[in-house]
Amino acid sequence: GNSVTQMEGPVTLSEEAFLTINCTYTATGYPSLFWYVQYPGEGLQLLLKATKADDKGSNKGFEATYRKETTSFHLEKGSVQVSDSAVYFCALSDYSGGGADGLTFGKGTHLIIQP
Amino acid sequence: DAGVIQSPRHEVTEMGQEVTLRCKPISGHDYLFWYRQTMMRGLELLIYFNNNVPIDDSGMPEDRFSAKMPNASFSTLKIQPSEPRDSAVYFCASRGQGAPGPFFGPGTRLTVL
Repeated sequence: GNSVTQMEGPVTLSEEAFLTINCTYTATGYPSLFWYVQYPGEGLQLLLKATKADDKGSNKGFEATYRKETTSFHLEKGSVQVSDSAVYFCALSDYSGGGADGLTFGKGTHLIIQP
Repeated sequence: DAGVIQSPRHEVTEMGQEVTLRCKPISGHDYLFWYRQTMMRGLELLIYFNNNVPIDDSGMPEDRFSAKMPNASFSTLKIQPSEPRDSAVYFCASRGQGAPGPFFGPGTRLTVL
């Protein structure tokens, strides 16, 4: 079956530090990959996505590249801000053509940015 | 668009009571998903619908849980009877045909005492 593995948290960084949150996946087909962000007390927001190998998703200074050879989709940001503090979820969808299923999520990584 | 709307935002009830959670998906979206989030298990897909028809309910924990989608703009998730271990945040999400990533509602935080 499908699965997503994320690095354990919490991850604590100082403002303006470089961020990497690792994500690897297992899937039977050719999944689409996502990063969602959840701010305290809120629902999940789609941060970025990539639908095929070597695609790079980017948004709000975050980026992630779909690496089929390493089955990875690591999230990076060059200079984090306090407002980036949140829980980040890596997810995959084994969506193909007319079929669909729900997302398979990783456990989430709690990111804490200190001023 | 207002996004996915869920109600209530918070629900506190006593064990044994019936609980009904409501969701209004984004207009035009063909798929609707119900997820549950807990500290122990993370985010779990409970059930999803396509064009108001339940497609996969294998994630529904047991017979106490049921979900309906009587029309394209409304879905309910019912727990009867509720138990303390059902305490969680329940999210509804929707997406359109051909779009890989669903949009999530703000969630309903359920506490069963």
